[in-house]
Amino acid sequence: EVQLVESGGGLVQPGRSMKLSCAASGFTFSDYYMAWVRQAPKKGLEWVASISYEGSSTYYGDSVKGRFTISRDNAKSTLYLQMNSLRSEDTATYYCARRTGDYWGQGVMVTVSS
Amino acid sequence: DIQMTQSPSFLSASVGDRVTINCKASQNINKYLNWYQQKLGEAPKRLIYNTNSLQTGIPSRFSGSGSGTDYTLTISSLQPEDVATYFCQQYNSWLTFGSGTKLEIK
Repeated sequence: EVQLVESGGGLVQPGRSMKLSCAASGFTFSDYYMAWVRQAPKKGLEWVASISYEGSSTYYGDSVKGRFTISRDNAKSTLYLQMNSLRSEDTATYYCARRTGDYWGQGVMVTVSS
Repeated sequence: DIQMTQSPSFLSASVGDRVTINCKASQNINKYLNWYQQKLGEAPKRLIYNTNSLQTGIPSRFSGSGSGTDYTLTISSLQPEDVATYFCQQYNSWLTFGSGTKLEIK
């Protein structure tokens, strides 16, 4: 059974950093592009970042470019999102997903507030 | 960047009704389009991929169509369990989502 389990969310002050993790199981992790998607409270879905199979190519949405870094460890079947210089508008539920969109994690809440 | 314009933003229909939701891309997305259903408090669930391929386990009352810039999700006979928000998503270039359609039962 495919599972994606995010962790690392919580409350963080503006300007600080936070790192999210997504543990994958039930499939060959290195065979898939992966992505982070977020959803602000009562809002729509916003693509955050994507990463290629081996991590050599990364892609970012305009709102996070230069502040967020997506990475992966295929040996650990884990996806990461390093979030720096956090802003209140980054408050959202963050989902990891296979880029194909067929499997998503349950999401982790990140709240940026003083 | 490709923009996705989804309509309507809100839809109220009766059980058994045929329901359609539309997405228009700002440029040709070559049928690289997914449709998702999101129920309150849950992660999105993919219903349709590649415009018209039904995800395994999804009821056949859901279908997708379209080409070029215009795409449609159809529910042939609305059921109470279909109450949710529906999103389209293009993956021709990066990823972009539509703004969502909240569907309720009249």
